Amino acid sequence: EDQVTQSPEALRLQEGESSSLNCSYTVSGLRGLFWYRQDPGKGPEFLFTLYSAGEEKEKERLKATLTKKESFLHITAPKPEDSATYLCAVQVEDNYGQNFVFGPGTRLSVLP
Amino acid sequence: ETGVTQSPTHLIKTRGQQVTLRCSSQSGHNTVSWYQQALGQGPQFIFQYYREEENGRGNFPPRFSGLQFPNYSSELNVNALELDDSALYLCASSLRGLAGKYEQYFGPGTRLTVT
Repeated sequence: EDQVTQSPEALRLQEGESSSLNCSYTVSGLRGLFWYRQDPGKGPEFLFTLYSAGEEKEKERLKATLTKKESFLHITAPKPEDSATYLCAVQVEDNYGQNFVFGPGTRLSVLP
Repeated sequence: ETGVTQSPTHLIKTRGQQVTLRCSSQSGHNTVSWYQQALGQGPQFIFQYYREEENGRGNFPPRFSGLQFPNYSSELNVNALELDDSALYLCASSLRGLAGKYEQYFGPGTRLTVT
């Protein structure tokens, strides 16, 4: 069964304190890995797509990396506005066609 | 460029009733996916439509059904509502390229409460 786990479940950082979020996956055939940010009561906001091991993408204070079994979202010098839930998802193709499996998310709080 | 929109924003239904949720895809997108998100959990994939045909389905019963129209807007229908169907329903649209690689952009969601 395709599975995605994320750690930690929740993370509190001081403003400027860099850290990393982890996404581990067990899937039969990875087509792509996605990172999203979700604010309370809103739909997820697209951040990155990674397609192959070794790939890296950056956007402002965020950098996503991918290995064969996991992905990391690095947050450099975070600000309070970076507080949100960060979701990881994998795209696979199974007998029924496309399938997308999300992890439970990491709740990030950045304190001023 | 218009983003993904969903209607209604909130909905309250009674157990056993039927509900239809609507989604307008982002301009130029040809693929739409629907997700169910319970409080405090990640979204769960319901199904995806590509060029008006179901292109993938998650572990949801047949009482969850959908449609995609020629203008790429979409509907999610849920029959015989159960209390556990209470959740945020998210629609995501994307432009599926030849390599099958694409990015999904989500709407704001419809909050469904079943009493």
